[in-house]
Amino acid sequence: NAGVTQTPKFQVLKTGQSMTLQCAQDMNHNSMYWYRQDPGMGLRLIYYSASEGTTDKGEVPNGYNVSRLNKREFSLRLESAAPSQTSVYFCASSEGTGLLFVYEQYFGPGTRLTVT
Amino acid sequence: AQSVAQPEDQVNVAEGNPLTVKCTYSVSGNPYLFWYVQYPNRGLQFLLKYITGDNLVKGSYGFEAEFNKSQTSFHLKKPSALVSDSALYFCAVRGTYSGAGSYQLTFGKGTKLSVIP
Repeated sequence: NAGVTQTPKFQVLKTGQSMTLQCAQDMNHNSMYWYRQDPGMGLRLIYYSASEGTTDKGEVPNGYNVSRLNKREFSLRLESAAPSQTSVYFCASSEGTGLLFVYEQYFGPGTRLTVT
Repeated sequence: AQSVAQPEDQVNVAEGNPLTVKCTYSVSGNPYLFWYVQYPNRGLQFLLKYITGDNLVKGSYGFEAEFNKSQTSFHLKKPSALVSDSALYFCAVRGTYSGAGSYQLTFGKGTKLSVIP
């Protein structure tokens, strides 16, 4: 099993350009997540999808949109990139999420995005 | 709102010595606590979690963590450090309250562990 895969690994954008980060998991997990990691800030949740067909905002959703394409795939779109979105983006998945579901998350290798 | 504090940005320890990486938390309801490790240019890897029960939780690679409810702490420990343990360690918490963003993990800022040969 590949686990969680992300494409691309690296990307450089100019301010105002758009792009989509792709994420796929082959573990038959119900829940998927997008985080950004900035130095000294830890990981912050951008959006998540508790199950296929649902998406919800996390801590820092502004400037991003997501699509849960199917159970396997969860994409993150930057419509008009800004320098403040320079970061490392991680996708993760877990068996589920909810009051009674305390499952660990599995992370992809990350996408390093620079916006100039 | 829930929060996690990792009071040390960096911890240095000699190889073979015991190591401790500190974590304190604040959460509504019962805490569910996690430790993750991140090696350079990699994603996070799950080490262990506390849900309920025994206050000492054992995890991967010889790591363990001690849950202390009165001190709201969940410190990561290992009896004998290896050079290969050098990495960035994250503590995370989720609670049991309802509302927007419920049941999602909140991560600490991370602690860089350096094990010196």
